[in-house]
Amino acid sequence: EIVLTQPPGTLSLSPGERATLSCRASQSVSSNLAWYQQKPGQAPRLLIYGASSRATGIPDRFSGSGSGTDFTLTIRRLEPEDFAVYYCQQYGSSPLTFGGGTKVEIK
Amino acid sequence: QLQLVGSGGGVVQPGWSLRLSCAASGFTFRNYPMHWVRQAPGKGLEWVARTSYDEYSKFYADSVKGRFTISRDNSKNTLYLQMDSLRPEDTAVYYCARAPSPYSGGSPSFLDYWGQGTLVTVSS
Repeated sequence: EIVLTQPPGTLSLSPGERATLSCRASQSVSSNLAWYQQKPGQAPRLLIYGASSRATGIPDRFSGSGSGTDFTLTIRRLEPEDFAVYYCQQYGSSPLTFGGGTKVEIK
Repeated sequence: QLQLVGSGGGVVQPGWSLRLSCAASGFTFRNYPMHWVRQAPGKGLEWVARTSYDEYSKFYADSVKGRFTISRDNSKNTLYLQMDSLRPEDTAVYYCARAPSPYSGGSPSFLDYWGQGTLVTVSS
């Protein structure tokens, strides 16, 4: 099973700042990586798939990059609604696995 | 508008059974693979099971294999998760979710739409 690691567990940032989130895979997943946003009491929402493709309706301040084992989610300028938990997920091999999540909180 | 509405959660004792349902609307349900993903209180996401659009292929996480069964009724646009021999560690919110590629079988995938989740609590 592929293990995904998302350091750090929490990012403390201010609105308007740039957020850079990391996801590292224990073995290559090629570009088979997705990012999700989850707010308290809500289901996860797909942001990015194929490592860098934005899902329908996702603002262009969200971008993804990387391939193989190292991936990055960047939020260009944090809006108040962006403070949430972000998870990466690999679908390069079964079983599907998720990272432990990074919480982006207001500083 | 695409919707996935989960139901069937509740409080049960260890060893009991429960069946979750997920009613789909707003898309051609019978064409899409479907998944269950769970989230223990205050924890991250854990994939549980998936079925191909035609139930030909089914896959399970090791943690639930032999105890949980995923199924679907395409005539009712509904996905199910039969959970038997429940354990306290199965306590979680269970989400149903859709894989984006119609007619795909057993390939792993990302999940483009999620239901709102239903809470299962296993406690004596």
